[in-house]
Amino acid sequence: SQQGEEDPQALSIQEGENATMNCSYKTSINNLQWYRQNSGRGLVHLILIRSNEREKHSGRLRVTLDTSKKSSSLLITASRAADTASYFCATSQAGTALIFGKGTTLSVSS
Amino acid sequence: ETGVTQTPRHLVMGMTNKKSLKCEQHLGHNAMYWYKQSAKKPLELMFVYNFKEQTENNSVPSRFSPECPNSSHLFLHLHTLQPEDSALYLCASSAGAGNTEAFFGQGTRLTVV
Repeated sequence: SQQGEEDPQALSIQEGENATMNCSYKTSINNLQWYRQNSGRGLVHLILIRSNEREKHSGRLRVTLDTSKKSSSLLITASRAADTASYFCATSQAGTALIFGKGTTLSVSS
Repeated sequence: ETGVTQTPRHLVMGMTNKKSLKCEQHLGHNAMYWYKQSAKKPLELMFVYNFKEQTENNSVPSRFSPECPNSSHLFLHLHTLQPEDSALYLCASSAGAGNTEAFFGQGTRLTVV
């Protein structure tokens, strides 16, 4: 299975701190995406990184991809209480649907 | 709003009932998906439609029956469900299957009693 596995499963930090989540996957991929889900709601796309890219930034988000290690990380800098949510990585091969990992639950306290 | 609308938002049904979930997108996307999200489990891909044709069926029991009448609408017909089918059912769409971002609806919270 190409399913991603996030690590850690849960993360609790204080506002202003950085949060780092990791994702590992098993097979070659076309791209890797990160999504956010607030409790009981739909997923929201955060960032997409293609297999030939190594790093991407979007606002306070920084994503890295290491295809040799089949891993990715999502860094959220200067976290806010509003960042409290579950974060999922998802992978796809060319022309196939996204397969999601189990997610990391992030809790940011003020 | 992501541009993907799911109805109803909540549904309670008995094991002998027949109901349908509806998903609608007007983003001009060609691929639509059904995912199931149960507590403490990863999102499970159920069905994929690309240009109205079903391209993936992830070993889903026949009590779940998808329908894609056009590229903007996707249905999930439910009949004789089991309590373990209670979950959040999420619909998503994308421009192409897998190579672009997916837009998700808010989901239908289904409870089977």
